[in-house]
Amino acid sequence: QQPVQSPQAVILREGEDAVINCSSSKALYSVHWYRQKHGEAPVFLMILLKGGEQKGHDKISASFNEKKQQSSLYLTASQLSYSGTYFCGTQDTGRIALTFGSGTRLQVQP
Amino acid sequence: NAGVTQTPKFQVLKTGQSMTLQCAQDMNHNSMYWYRQDPGMGLRLIYYSASEGTTDKGEVPNGYNVSRLNKREFSLRLESAAPSQTSVYFCASSDRGQAKAFFGQGTRLTVV
Repeated sequence: QQPVQSPQAVILREGEDAVINCSSSKALYSVHWYRQKHGEAPVFLMILLKGGEQKGHDKISASFNEKKQQSSLYLTASQLSYSGTYFCGTQDTGRIALTFGSGTRLQVQP
Repeated sequence: NAGVTQTPKFQVLKTGQSMTLQCAQDMNHNSMYWYRQDPGMGLRLIYYSASEGTTDKGEVPNGYNVSRLNKREFSLRLESAAPSQTSVYFCASSDRGQAKAFFGQGTRLTVV
């Protein structure tokens, strides 16, 4: 079953912040975040493993609440280059492959 | 460093025709995956191979077969193409299940 992402789409001005949420009905081992630009392949952003950690990558960070099976991706001081579709991929305990959400389309305007 | 290479990049098939999508990775990864991407549906797993010699079904395996030819190559075959298989197909690989996945550039397939 696919994880649920919200919102489905968001439009920002440069410098604004955004949060993208991902929730699953299954017990999770890890959550992966990817970004895909139009016509290109998805590109890895970060992995969060079971343990409730929070990770950061430049001005993009994420958290993972394993008790609630939820993860959130935080984009601060957004840049034009952040535009694209963001996907969370969840990994169930004991399963090697990822199940992806339907994506959140982010558009950053000047 | 090529990463994950998919061929072909574009293909048009007639209903009922067969074809094989090729995927090769040069990163010595153990695990390989085939996903399809349709508008509004995200990436859906078709088949995966956790390691050389093993393959398993994903969420949407019907109408497809796979072969893990060796550690580098993982092919996807459509035996009798249907319009519902019109999609963008991505191959991916990872060193192990918990590691980041690298995606190929995709194959845009149209079945008419």
